[in-house]
Amino acid sequence: DTAVSQTPKYLVTQMGNDKSIKCEQNLGHDTMYWYKQDSKKFLKIMFSYNNKELIINETVPNRFSPKSPDKAHLNLHINSLELGDSAVYFCASSQAGAPHTQYFGPGTRLTVL
Amino acid sequence: QKEVEQNSGPLSVPEGAIASLNCTYSDRGSQSFFWYRQYSGKSPELIMSIYSNGDKEDGRFTAQLNKASQYVSLLIRDSQPSDSATYLCAVSNTGNQFYFGTGTSLTVIP
Repeated sequence: DTAVSQTPKYLVTQMGNDKSIKCEQNLGHDTMYWYKQDSKKFLKIMFSYNNKELIINETVPNRFSPKSPDKAHLNLHINSLELGDSAVYFCASSQAGAPHTQYFGPGTRLTVL
Repeated sequence: QKEVEQNSGPLSVPEGAIASLNCTYSDRGSQSFFWYRQYSGKSPELIMSIYSNGDKEDGRFTAQLNKASQYVSLLIRDSQPSDSATYLCAVSNTGNQFYFGTGTSLTVIP
């Protein structure tokens, strides 16, 4: 069984469009994350949710809006896509509290043309 | 200011040698330290975690932590071609914030 899943795996779209990426985890974890990995492999946290509540919101354009319908799902909606949004987006989950480790989804490669 | 720094490499070692990967961090309040391995086109996977000063061994992998020097390293003994990947250092404080380094690319030459 897949622990953390994301859809779609690849997303190619035009500038200005709006798109969503979905994430689900079946590990029973309380905390979920969205990361962006750029072409230089730098992995940067964007958002973190704990039991459906936003706990980390890094400096991310407000075109990015996370939504957590329940603690097993964390979706990412992106409005007005820009060229610079092209990257691989990883969802991850972990148990709340420290120490804790994160389990990553397979990633969504977003290409904005 | 980067919270976690790693040499980007590439680091090349012959098969059977010891690969040494280094990481420094800026937040003295950091409590938890992790090494992730990421194969090209794949997601990061956790290989080691360490929380207290000293060495921690797991098979061919040894993590070393020195909080006074704000330094964490990963040693891979008897390196195999399958170890060729990018290794990401991650540091966490008492909250849910993780900071990743930019990764070190390792190539093990058969």
